[in-house]
Amino acid sequence: ETGVTQSPTHLIKTRGQQVTLRCSSQSGHNTVSWYQQALGQGPQFIFQYYREEENGRGNFPPRFSGLQFPNYSSELNVNALELDDSALYLCASSFGSSYNSPLHFGNGTRLTVT
Amino acid sequence: DQQVKQNSPSLSVQEGRISILNCDYTNSMFDYFLWYKKYPAEGPTFLISISSIKDKNEDGRFTVFLNKSAKHLSLHIVPSQPGDSAVYFCAASEDNYGQNFVFGPGTRLSVLP
Repeated sequence: ETGVTQSPTHLIKTRGQQVTLRCSSQSGHNTVSWYQQALGQGPQFIFQYYREEENGRGNFPPRFSGLQFPNYSSELNVNALELDDSALYLCASSFGSSYNSPLHFGNGTRLTVT
Repeated sequence: DQQVKQNSPSLSVQEGRISILNCDYTNSMFDYFLWYKKYPAEGPTFLISISSIKDKNEDGRFTVFLNKSAKHLSLHIVPSQPGDSAVYFCAASEDNYGQNFVFGPGTRLSVLP
């Protein structure tokens, strides 16, 4: 069973640039969630995708957008990067959308905005 | 305003003893609670969950207790092992749809041999 994989592992961008982060779901999972984890804090929910549609969104501005593909892999896009966007971005997959289907997290992408 | 609080940033316990990690929340609408464990350079790993219709859930060495009136839950690890050394996150959600879990800031547990 292949786990959740994220790429790249580290990324450095300049303020104002755009970034795309990628995630491959664990096999058999059809739901992908993205979380942002700032230093010293817990992960914060960005949004979730189920069957290629956004299925819930946290308190993040529209410059955070996403996609889910037919093979259930996903992208997180962030436009007009700000210094505060520097964080660990975690992708998590699950089968369905229920607290009984716990999230399986990838190892994250560390984004640094300078 | 933090809806989920883990007031102890760190905890040290001797191997073989009990580890108790605490979590408090402010949103009375939270009905589903999970604990995750995170090792350095890895993503969080699911440990155990509980819904508000229960006050206890047990899985091997891990037991979660929920006191809904006090808006408090705790994770007990007995006996503690050095491999349990990690950051533990408490997470809560209002709905059963597995989305928008609100995480606490985490507690770093060190189990000393």
